[in-house]
Amino acid sequence: EAQVTQNPRYLITVTGKKLTVTCSQNMNHEYMSWYRQDPGLGLRQIYYSMNVEVTDKGDVPEGYKVSRKEKRNFPLILESPSPNQTSLYFCASSIRREETQYFGPGTRLLVL
Amino acid sequence: KNEVEQSPQNLTAQEGEFITINCSYSVGISALHWLQQHPGGGIVSLFMLSSGKKKHGRLIATINIQEKHSSLHITASHPRDSAVYICAFAHTGNQFYFGTGTSLTVIP
Repeated sequence: EAQVTQNPRYLITVTGKKLTVTCSQNMNHEYMSWYRQDPGLGLRQIYYSMNVEVTDKGDVPEGYKVSRKEKRNFPLILESPSPNQTSLYFCASSIRREETQYFGPGTRLLVL
Repeated sequence: KNEVEQSPQNLTAQEGEFITINCSYSVGISALHWLQQHPGGGIVSLFMLSSGKKKHGRLIATINIQEKHSSLHITASHPRDSAVYICAFAHTGNQFYFGTGTSLTVIP
């Protein structure tokens, strides 16, 4: 089944404790992206990757890192999480930037 | 900055009504997407269009590139259409921008 998977789905952590949210797709897509969704602000892009080894900042990259060592995986790293990173996070992929995006199920993060 | 505006923010309709959701944007784009987010949170892509009109079942999406405007229409609305509808586009700088969404409730 073609899909985008994210793990974990739910996470409660404390300020400063490094964490990684994994994202994997099995559709051989070139373009992958991370978004966060907050009430009243909607979805905002954190980082995106046009293809392997090529990543770039989106609208709200501060406090996040990403890597794209393989086509299928695009992990999101929070080196020192803070409460303002409490949010709902989505990973998505598409064949190319302009094409239909497929979204993961979301990861709900609470930073205390 | 607010490159994309959606209206209305909230919409309540009776089952069977024709529904229109609007999206206006202010920058040059190559394609516009309509997304649906269900109450459980999952997001699915409904349409991706760069010109004209697309239809899928009871859903129709149109775009006017010159006027920088797109609409999503739902014919014969049904309670299962209740969701948040979001327009989005890829700006020429490779980033994606999203509207804040239209929350639709269809009452039986």
